[in-house]
Amino acid sequence: QVQLVQSESELKNPGASVKVSCKASGYMFTTYGIHWVRQAPGQGLEWMGWINTNTGKPTFAQGFTGRCVFSLDTSVTTAYLQITSLKAEDTAVYYCARHCSGGDCSSQLDYWGQGTQVTVSS
Amino acid sequence: QSVLTQPPSASGTPGQRVTISCSGSTSNIGSNTVNWYQQLPGTAPKLLIWRDNRRPSGVPDRFSGSKSGTSASLAISGLQSEDEADYYCAAWDDSLNGPPYVFGTGTKVTVL
Repeated sequence: QVQLVQSESELKNPGASVKVSCKASGYMFTTYGIHWVRQAPGQGLEWMGWINTNTGKPTFAQGFTGRCVFSLDTSVTTAYLQITSLKAEDTAVYYCARHCSGGDCSSQLDYWGQGTQVTVSS
Repeated sequence: QSVLTQPPSASGTPGQRVTISCSGSTSNIGSNTVNWYQQLPGTAPKLLIWRDNRRPSGVPDRFSGSKSGTSASLAISGLQSEDEADYYCAAWDDSLNGPPYVFGTGTKVTVL
């Protein structure tokens, strides 16, 4: 069955970096893109961007360029989100989600990881 | 700032029908299909409706979606206590000025 399993919670100091992983299983990894979504405490869902797992090309929403990096290791079917120069306002739960497109799909996010809590505090 | 507007809350008693609206524009809902996601308390979002009105396997048929013009709606018929959750609409957006994929502001459904 399709699964996206994310790395555990992180506590970081301001100015540090964090790398969140999203391990995919149960399907052909390079056939479906991976999206990243942020949810700040008590807030709604915010789309950060996505990475084409076939080409490695990332697309970012405005506000997430510069300090965010999307990467892949296709040998272990894992996508990564790295955020540098962390600020307190980066404190949030970060989700990865599979992008279902082509065929009978309609570009929906059909499977989600369990989320990774990133807390930025000194 | 989301470009898809939803009411912040909705409520109903068990068995009632609840409807959630999602208002967008020609660049998103007016041009692309709408998806709905359900987020139960303390859990990750889950796909509830895709391509405006299609349910993934396992989603009860009391959930239904519709779309007209630049607005979409999610209806929950026969509301149950386990439906208490946050609901988000979403769509791809063809505007050059905003993100390619946008979520609605979210609606918290309370079962009274």
